[in-house]
Amino acid sequence: EVQLMESGGGLVQPGGSLRLSCAASGFSFSSYWMTWVRQAPGKGLEWVANVKQDGSEKNYVDSVKGRFTISRDNAKNSLYLQMNSLRADDTAVYYCARGLWTFDIWGQGTMVTVSS
Amino acid sequence: EIVMTQSPDSLAVSLGERATINCKSSQSVLHSSNSKNQLAWYQQKPGQPPRLLIYWASTRYSGVPDRFSGSGSGTDFTLTISSLQAEDVAVYYCQQYYSTPQTFGQGTKVEI
Repeated sequence: EVQLMESGGGLVQPGGSLRLSCAASGFSFSSYWMTWVRQAPGKGLEWVANVKQDGSEKNYVDSVKGRFTISRDNAKNSLYLQMNSLRADDTAVYYCARGLWTFDIWGQGTMVTVSS
Repeated sequence: EIVMTQSPDSLAVSLGERATINCKSSQSVLHSSNSKNQLAWYQQKPGQPPRLLIYWASTRYSGVPDRFSGSGSGTDFTLTISSLQAEDVAVYYCQQYYSTPQTFGQGTKVEI
């Protein structure tokens, strides 16, 4: 079964850090661009970052540039999002998704809450 | 950044009736290289991740019922549910992938 599973979310204080992981299974992970999309409570979807198959190209939404780093380990079929200098407006469910342009496989999401 | 605006924000449709959702982009998402509109539609049910329904503005993704259809070109797009079923209650989002950052509409909530 094709599957993505996020982990690593939780409660963190403003200014803190968190590392999200996404474990992929059931498909050739190294063949796909991968993407993080987030959704603040009761709000819409926001594209956050993506990474090329070999990790050589990465893109970020302006609001997270310099604070978040996307990476992947193809040997472990895993995608990561290192989040530093977290702010209250980073509070959201973070989804990993397969694809560069459209996202055909999504994980269930992991909740990140930034609050003191 | 391309801004995507959906209308209406919510709509109530009777079972078996047609539901129509509109999406407007702040600039054209028609790619000259392939003459395709870089526009997708997703469905999100409560407590679930989004599900891809339509890409290239009008191509149904695998397994999507044919009551879902997409149309439009350039800056104006429509998602139509031809005969609303109970399981179609959800929030629907359009998304442009013409340029980075890819952006989504604010969502349209469809109720019975």
